This record gives sequence, structure tokens and C-alpha cells, in this order.
Amino acid sequence: TQLLEQSPQFLSIQEGENLTVYCNSSSVFSSLQWYRQEPGEGPVLLVTVVTGGEVKKLKRLTFQFGDARKDSSLHITAAQPGDTGLYLCAGNQAGTALIFGKGTTLSVSS
Amino acid sequence: NAGVTQTPKFRVLKTGQSMTLLCAQDMNHEYMYWYRQDPGMGLRLIHYSVGEGTTAKGEVPDGYNVSRLKKQNFLLGLESAAPSQTSVYFCASSDPRAGGAYEQYFGPGTRLTVT
Repeated sequence: TQLLEQSPQFLSIQEGENLTVYCNSSSVFSSLQWYRQEPGEGPVLLVTVVTGGEVKKLKRLTFQFGDARKDSSLHITAAQPGDTGLYLCAGNQAGTALIFGKGTTLSVSS
Repeated sequence: NAGVTQTPKFRVLKTGQSMTLLCAQDMNHEYMYWYRQDPGMGLRLIHYSVGEGTTAKGEVPDGYNVSRLKKQNFLLGLESAAPSQTSVYFCASSDPRAGGAYEQYFGPGTRLTVT
């Protein structure tokens, strides 16, 4: 059973387009994180959200944690080729380990 | 700071051979983790450690052993490699004192092929 479902699995867009990636679960998480992974490298933390309804912005990236703390979204405005990569969400259920989604592979072409 | 480092970066093994992957972190983190990443499967936790001398099983521990003799190092061993263990292995660390979110810092990965 996959506790964190990410959608879409793949996304291919043109430079300048907007996009949203979703991370959904039927379980409640005490916190949720988003990572970006480039080919041949390890995931790098982008943001952590901990409060239901919380919205965080990181330049052109906007992250939102659902009110019930069961889901999250990542919105990218005016995507650039440098945004290309695998986007992973990960949730913590008050334990010592994170639960990772399978990821969304984003390709932005110029 | 180097962060999290992993050695080796690449390795090819024959079925039945053994090897040890080394992970080192210089951030004084208490917690360390080993994951494997396979296409379509995401990151799966193999083993983790919440402190020096302690280890625990994750989601896919079979065929692997780990040791945490020093706080900064976390070793992953394959006693008898199998083709099903062909994967990319990532080590990560986190600091439980940093708000409890267990934000993880990853190494660059080790690409292992078992023939």
C-alpha cells in the first residue's frame, strides 16, 4: 500500500508554462516535505510544511499543505528548463523515518 | 562541510559476492538512513539508525545488514549479492533536534549492478 500518492507521474511542458504537482494520502502527517532530485544526484530538500493550510513560497515555487494535513501541492509558475527533475514528497507520521511518494518526473523544454 | 558522502560511486558485483557501502556525514546528525531507489518504486527504506550502536529495519531489509559503530558513519553490507539488489543506494542523515520534521540530507548515491 502506497501511503503517499503523487500525480502526475510524468509531466512534460514548455518553458513559461505553469504546473501543479499533487501529493495525496488518506493518512494524517505531522509534517510534509518536498525534495527535488536531478539525474545522478541525491534528493535535495526544498521545503517543509507543518501546519494545516500552510502556504510557503520559494521564488517561483509555491507549496501548500492541506487543511487536514493529508495532502500537499507544489505549484511552479513560469517553469524554466532548470526546474527539470524528479519531485518527491515525503511525510512524517511522528516517527523517526519518512514515507516517500514515488515522485513526479518533470521535463521543461525551451 | 562535505555533508553526506558515499563510497564507492559505482560498483559491479557478481552474484554471491559481498561488499560494504560506506556513508559518512559531518553534520553531527543523530539519525542515519539507507534507501534504495528503483524505477517506478520510489525511495524505499532499507535500515536506519537513531544513534551510535543502534540500528532498525526499514521497509526492505532482507539481504542487507548495517552497522553504526561511529556516529558519523553508517555502513550497509551485502553478504551475498543477488541481481535483485541492482539499484541505486542512497544514504541520508537527519537531526532530530531540528523541530521533529526529520528533514533529510542525502548523499550522491552508489550505483550497484549485480550480474
